[in-house]
Amino acid sequence: IAGITQAPTSQILAAGRRMTLRCTQDMRHNAMYWYRQDLGLGLRLIHYSNTAGTTGKGEVPDGYSVSRANTDDFPLTLASAVPSQTSVYFCASSLRGSDTQYFGPGTRLTVL
Amino acid sequence: AQSVTQLDSHVSVSEGTPVLLRCNYSSSYSPSLFWYVQHPNKGLQLLLKYTSAATLVKGINGFEAEFKKSETSFHLTKPSAHMSDAAEYFCVVSDLGGNTGKLIFGQGTTLQVKP
Repeated sequence: IAGITQAPTSQILAAGRRMTLRCTQDMRHNAMYWYRQDLGLGLRLIHYSNTAGTTGKGEVPDGYSVSRANTDDFPLTLASAVPSQTSVYFCASSLRGSDTQYFGPGTRLTVL
Repeated sequence: AQSVTQLDSHVSVSEGTPVLLRCNYSSSYSPSLFWYVQHPNKGLQLLLKYTSAATLVKGINGFEAEFKKSETSFHLTKPSAHMSDAAEYFCVVSDLGGNTGKLIFGQGTTLQVKP
């Protein structure tokens, strides 16, 4: 089934630990995005990638890094997790030239 | 810069009655506007999208939205609510002024449907 998968579904993490959230899409979309969702704030863009090999910073990039080695995968890494990074993380993708984004099911991350 | 304001954080309706979720936007461009729905513990699903082809946009599950430039509004409506419509709804504008392809989300409106 075509779409976006994210892993893990949920995770509890000790502060200071490193964590990578995985995102894979099989729609051959050029662009991919990472958002975090916090109550009352909607979704905010963390990082994005318009095409494989390029990445850019979104609205709230601090404490996060991404890479885009190929079209399908867009992992998000927290180098040293802090409690304020407790959130639900959504990966999304879109075709080049389209502003319609398709979202994965999300990863619920709790940092203690 | 683009922005979106959802005027109600919570809306409660009875099953079978009309739904109105309000959204105002601010944009320097002719915007692309979206409504997304998020059911509990689920991802976001696209309900509908406005791209200037028609001011009244029909979406899935009987929802529709009307783009009113003079009022800078993009309200979401449905004639008759169903219990399965209970969810979080997000009004979204595309950041056409930037190069990120960024979507700018409203704060969300929780729709409660009472039996």
